[in-house]
Amino acid sequence: EAGVTQSPTHLIKTRGQQVTLRCSPISGHTSVYWYQQALGLGLQFLLWYDEGEERNRGNFPPRFSGRQFPNYSSELNVNALELEDSALYLCASSLRDTYGYTFGSGTRLTVV
Amino acid sequence: AQSVTQLDSQVPVFEEAPVELRCNYSSSVSVYLFWYVQYPNQGLQLLLKYLSGSTLVKGINGFEAEFNKSQTSFHLRKPSVHISDTAEYFCAVIPGGATNKLIFGTGTLLAVQP
Repeated sequence: EAGVTQSPTHLIKTRGQQVTLRCSPISGHTSVYWYQQALGLGLQFLLWYDEGEERNRGNFPPRFSGRQFPNYSSELNVNALELEDSALYLCASSLRDTYGYTFGSGTRLTVV
Repeated sequence: AQSVTQLDSQVPVFEEAPVELRCNYSSSVSVYLFWYVQYPNQGLQLLLKYLSGSTLVKGINGFEAEFNKSQTSFHLRKPSVHISDTAEYFCAVIPGGATNKLIFGTGTLLAVQP
């Protein structure tokens, strides 16, 4: 069974640009979660999608947004990139109403 | 607000020695508790979880954790560590209720020395 896949694995962007990160959940999983792991800040919850809808949102500005597609894959979009957006972005998936996510390997975003 | 505290940012230990990584949570309601491991340049892997039932939970790689409701703790233990256990370990909680949001502690780096 394929795990959670994220693309790209690494990305370098310039301040002010926009970026899109992608996540494919485990087959059959309907919930997708996004986390930001920035140096010194730990793992911060960004977004939770389930059945195509945003269910919960962390304490991030509106320039962080995303969506979930009918096949349950998901995109995370970040507009107007700032230097402090440099981080590892982790995607996880789960069956709805089950506990314990499966994480992907992440996308390392560097903003210069 | 729900929070998770991992008091030790780094735990050095010699190979084959026992180890305990501490985790405390704040909650006035029931919670679901987890331990994840992150190896360098990788994502997170679930070690074990407590949802209900027996308070002693066994996980992968020889790790176990004990849920202590009175002390609001969920410490992770291993009787004998290996060099390959060197990694960052994260305690996490899902507060009981409607949300499925996983809240993480700040992590503990387990550094196993030969």
